[in-house]
Amino acid sequence: EPEVTQTPSHQVTQMGQEVILRCVPISNHLYFYWYRQILGQKVEFLVSFYNNEISEKSEIFDDQFSVERPDGSNFTLKIRSTKLEDSAMYFCASSLDRGTTDTQYFGPGTRLTVL
Amino acid sequence: AQSVTQLGSHVSVSEGALVLLRCNYSSSVPPYLFWYVQYPNQGLQLLLKYTSAATLVKGINGFEAEFKKSETSFHLTKPSAHMSDAAEYFCAVSESGANNLFFGTGTRLTVIP
Repeated sequence: EPEVTQTPSHQVTQMGQEVILRCVPISNHLYFYWYRQILGQKVEFLVSFYNNEISEKSEIFDDQFSVERPDGSNFTLKIRSTKLEDSAMYFCASSLDRGTTDTQYFGPGTRLTVL
Repeated sequence: AQSVTQLGSHVSVSEGALVLLRCNYSSSVPPYLFWYVQYPNQGLQLLLKYTSAATLVKGINGFEAEFKKSETSFHLTKPSAHMSDAAEYFCAVSESGANNLFFGTGTRLTVIP
């Protein structure tokens, strides 16, 4: 069964460094998402992406964050200058169609630790 | 604004016993409601979803949930727990047609042999 994959599974970085989290969505899907979960807190929506542009973003997704689909298969989340509070589990998801009536398929997550 | 509250961060049941995981939602518009499950080292997997059709929704692995508008609830149940049900369960809400899901904090289910 097709699945969303994410790399790395765990990323440790120093505060102020740039990190890129990578995701490979399901191949025929058109909509892509990033969510994050700070330990002990809710899974929070960050951004959705369609047709090479951001379609929705939350208040969390500020200028420090960016997303890109560089090569038609990968979907990346970049954090330019990491802060301690960026430590979280980051989930990528994809769906075939727009909107939450269509199932979003999630990857296993990347645990980001900022020291 | 939408949100969900999951009562009980940890629930333990004996194998064969009823599973009941609670979810209450808040939404200013008719909601779409979801239950996702996460097994260790895996992604979130959709168990079931309510999108304004039948109020009793059946999902995978014998789970079901009932949308109760009067109680603003969408509790997840399974008549008989199996060891393989041990996982983290997330309730989520969204608006019709919206892209983003609003999740609860999750409930970790432990099944005792």
